[in-house]
Amino acid sequence: GAVVSQHPSRVICKSGTSVKIECRSLDFQATTMFWYRQFPKQSLMLMATSNEGSKATYEQGVEKDKFLINHASLTLSTLTVTSAHPEDSSFYICSALRAGTDTQYFGPGTRLTVL
Amino acid sequence: EDKVVQSPLSLVVHEGDTVTLNCSYEVTNFRSLLWYKQEKKAPTFLFMLTSSGIEKKSGRLSSILDKKELFSILNITATQTGDSAVYLCAVGDDKIIFGKGTRLHILP
Repeated sequence: GAVVSQHPSRVICKSGTSVKIECRSLDFQATTMFWYRQFPKQSLMLMATSNEGSKATYEQGVEKDKFLINHASLTLSTLTVTSAHPEDSSFYICSALRAGTDTQYFGPGTRLTVL
Repeated sequence: EDKVVQSPLSLVVHEGDTVTLNCSYEVTNFRSLLWYKQEKKAPTFLFMLTSSGIEKKSGRLSSILDKKELFSILNITATQTGDSAVYLCAVGDDKIIFGKGTRLHILP
């Protein structure tokens, strides 16, 4: 149980285009989902906290107009990278907080390459 | 199906004790095994292991990988209350598979 999926697993796009990444909790409800970006040397940076039915909370330094987050249901959050640039190329990971618990379950990540 | 299994799920010990956290995996393609410590914000990277039998050490923490038996352990010696956290194991290739974590609580 407690499976989190991400789609797509890998995406290659041209500079200037927008890319949407989905994060789904498959067998549980998640009132809160988190979006991370993985940097070289494996460090994870929290980008934003997504709460169902309300606006996402962005970490300092993360542009909310560039990284649009929508958490429309208890099982789905989306991250849209708008006007992508090569420096946005990275591994984006989401996690979902199981409702009523303090346990996060991580998705498998999405590798974004911007040409 | 790729999976990463951590044990125990939770652990409570007294300050000064030594703990061993386990991570076993079954994945199609293995590139590396990662250990993270998660407190409040983003998980903090601890170790990346790619080769069997080579211990990685950082202060009181150490970790080793056994690619034949498909597992890794994370050791913490002389535990302190600040070590209380969820410890995550992840196996990475094109995708990263996280285990469910071990919740460690250190009693003063």
